[in-house]
Amino acid sequence: GQQLNQSPQSMFIQEGEDVSMNCTSSSIFNTWLWYKQDPGEGPVLLIALYKAGELTSNGRLTAQFGITRKDSFLNISASIPSDVGIYFCAGQLWTSGTYKYIFGTGTRLKVLA
Amino acid sequence: EAQVTQNPRYLITVTGKKLTVTCSQNMNHEYMSWYRQDPGLGLRQIYYSMNVEVTDKGDVPEGYKVSRKEKRNFPLILESPSPNQTSLYFCASSLVGAYNEQFFGPGTRLTVL
Repeated sequence: GQQLNQSPQSMFIQEGEDVSMNCTSSSIFNTWLWYKQDPGEGPVLLIALYKAGELTSNGRLTAQFGITRKDSFLNISASIPSDVGIYFCAGQLWTSGTYKYIFGTGTRLKVLA
Repeated sequence: EAQVTQNPRYLITVTGKKLTVTCSQNMNHEYMSWYRQDPGLGLRQIYYSMNVEVTDKGDVPEGYKVSRKEKRNFPLILESPSPNQTSLYFCASSLVGAYNEQFFGPGTRLTVL
């Protein structure tokens, strides 16, 4: 099946550092999404991107929809301990009037206080 | 409270014993979906439904069945479970369309012996 290439797979960072992760795909997506999953819970949407080149912020989070519509990145500034979790990118793929979601493999973030 | 519920939350079963994982949402969402999450593979969509009586295969539908007889419910059926279906399963729902957030359930951890 299809999957997005997400990197890095995991990262350990110090509190206060900035974090960057990205996703690439061979497919063109109409919508890019970034989710966070806390331990023992389902993913929660952080940022949604709808236009190629779009740059969107949500507090300390910033994400961009690549101009080719095949990639996206997520930045977290000044990380704090509660940023720990797994971050997933996802693309929404429309075909024949329906759509499905393709997720990345995840980036596991650990923040050291 | 707006939510997606799944039952059971944990299940240990044996190969070949039919099981059903229920999913229900109280938000009047048309779009519902099942995912499985495996280490290193992220989330992969199993089946999705755009509305009542409309279901489509995701990326990994083999060995699973779904039904959508009512808008609020979207059960996942494993007719003859096998050990490779041991996984963490999530149900999600949203309004139809690119601009609508998916809400995830709390997950069902299934072990097939």
